[in-house]
Parts: sequence; structure tokens; C-alpha cells
Amino acid sequence: AQSVTQLGSHVSVSEGALVLLRCNYSSSVPPYLFWYVQYPNQGLQLLLKYTTGATLVKGINGFEAEFKKSETSFHLTKPSAHMSDAAEYFCAVSEGAGGYNKLIFGAGTRLAVHP
Amino acid sequence: DTGVSQDPRHKITKRGQNVTFRCDPISEHNRLYWYRQTLGQGPEFLTYFQNEAQLEKSRLLSDRFSAERPKGSFSTLEIQRTEQGDSAMYLCASSPTEGRSSYEQYFGPGTRLTVT
Repeated sequence: AQSVTQLGSHVSVSEGALVLLRCNYSSSVPPYLFWYVQYPNQGLQLLLKYTTGATLVKGINGFEAEFKKSETSFHLTKPSAHMSDAAEYFCAVSEGAGGYNKLIFGAGTRLAVHP
Repeated sequence: DTGVSQDPRHKITKRGQNVTFRCDPISEHNRLYWYRQTLGQGPEFLTYFQNEAQLEKSRLLSDRFSAERPKGSFSTLEIQRTEQGDSAMYLCASSPTEGRSSYEQYFGPGTRLTVT
């Protein structure tokens, strides 16, 4: 069965500092991997995705993530945090190609950005 | 471009009452998903429709829960005899069946249910 582990339920950074949110997955098939962001009382917005090809993927709002098969990781980074990045971030895995894509989510990491 | 919409956004009900939520997916999307998100957790899959066919139900979806998508467009999720443990955010998502975006799910704003 697939699973996702997000290390650190809360991360706090200073404005302008590097953001690093960690995600490790377990999958018996080549995974499709996703990062979503959720602002208070809102649904989820897709930040970026990895399916096949280039292992470093860029998303919206300056975020990027690198798929490392050997480490079963898909960590999310942003070089310089902005106050507007404060939100909850979810890593998710699906089975990928063929059929539908039920998403398995991690428990989330709440990012706080302070001045 | 109209996104996924859900109605109502908030619902407060008393234990034992029935509630029904509606989801309107993006118009050209054939696939529709329901998830449940409890406080401090990530969303958990409940059920999946392709057009009007319900193709998978999670074991989380007890017999008090029923979902429909009668004409392959909007979907409803009904909870009968609500319990306090049903309090959660219910999220709907949709995706197309073909093309590069077939693996991307677009989420609605959710319906927050509070059972008192």
C-alpha cells in the first residue's frame, strides 16, 4: 500500500529564509507525486507535480521539488520565504498512469513565516 | 474558467440528522472524487466516480454514507443519522480522463460539517 510521511507538522521560518518541507513516500509502483497548498478554510491548490522525466520540477509561487528515487523523497523548497507563503502544505502520491488517480496524502506541514 | 464548486460551505447539524452536500465539478471533467479531512490531518479518499458510475468506495464510507452522480455532472454526498465523528471538511475534486492533466485533481473549497 502507498503511504506518505511528512516530517515536521510545523515549520517556522523568517521572511526571506529558505523553506524546506520534507516528504517521503512508499509505493510499489513508479509514483506520481504532488504538493498541494491549503489556505485557511479553503480547498487545496496544486503547487507542483512529478510524473515522469526531469526529477526537478518547478511549480507556482517560486516553489520547486526534487524526486529522489533512491531516497524515496520529494522535498519541497523555496529559496526565499514570503509572508504570503504561510499555509498548510500537503504531499500526496498516486499510482499514476492507467486508470484513475486516488491520492494518498500526508498529514500536512503548517508553515509559519515571521518578519 | 469556472472551478469546482461545493454547496453549502458550512453546515451545522444536530446528531442524528441527515445532511446532503453538493459538488459541481469542472464541466468537461469526467472523474469526480470525494475526500474527507479532519482537523490536523490530510484528506482521506472516500469515493470515486467516472461519469455516473461509482467505481470505488473507501471502507471509510460506512453504510450511513451514500454518494451519487446521476447524470455524470454534479454529485451529492449524503450522510444519514450524523454522528459527532462525522464532523470534518468534505472536499470534492475533479479531473479529466484524457490528456496531460488527467492525473491532476482540482479541488473545490470544501463543505465544513459540524455535528453538535
